[in-house]
Amino acid sequence: DTGVSQDPRHKITKRGQNVTFRCDPISEHNRLYWYRQTLGQGPEFLTYFQNEAQLEKSRLLSDRFSAERPKGSFSTLEIQRTEQGDSAMYLCASSLHRDQETQYFGPGTRLLVL
Amino acid sequence: LAKTTQPISMDSYEGQEVNITCSHNNIATNDYITWYQQFPSQGPRFIIQGYKTKVTNEVASLFIPADRKSSTLSLPRVSLSDTAVYYCLVGERSGGSYIPTFGRGTSLIVHP
Repeated sequence: DTGVSQDPRHKITKRGQNVTFRCDPISEHNRLYWYRQTLGQGPEFLTYFQNEAQLEKSRLLSDRFSAERPKGSFSTLEIQRTEQGDSAMYLCASSLHRDQETQYFGPGTRLLVL
Repeated sequence: LAKTTQPISMDSYEGQEVNITCSHNNIATNDYITWYQQFPSQGPRFIIQGYKTKVTNEVASLFIPADRKSSTLSLPRVSLSDTAVYYCLVGERSGGSYIPTFGRGTSLIVHP
């Protein structure tokens, strides 16, 4: 399978715990995006990388959210001190950097904070 | 912010053509319009993309008027498996940065 993969697919945690999600993009794609999606809503943009550079992070929901892409390949999204309101689907997408910006999405990680 | 507006839901029957329109009044001059399909508990799947006029591929057509303030996704002869949520995506470009913006999506239900 050469698509975008995400791990884990599901995560249940207790309020106050930290969680980290991983995304592996399509191998030749140099852009990587993170989104959050809640029930009945479209994906909400959080941040994106071009190679290892984080080009836009103003839409991260709070300072509890952070993302890295240290070698320009896989990326991690960390949520510290989780809250019940963080329960959502977290989606990763990748694209080739070009004008058209066609993004290809992974299956998502569903987070439930108890 | 490049905001998109779509109908919340649509109903159709197998074999009919379905047209879903998205308005994006503030689309940037150099931005493309992309449509995605999403099934429950899955990530969105790319359907089609265009800049202006008409684009057609093996699954859909995309119509974009000259002013580019709206776009229409056309699904020919839908089947039950086309029941899904459909999103249009445009982006906001600012200072070299790109912020993709999805609408709330259109929930399409195809009836037998």
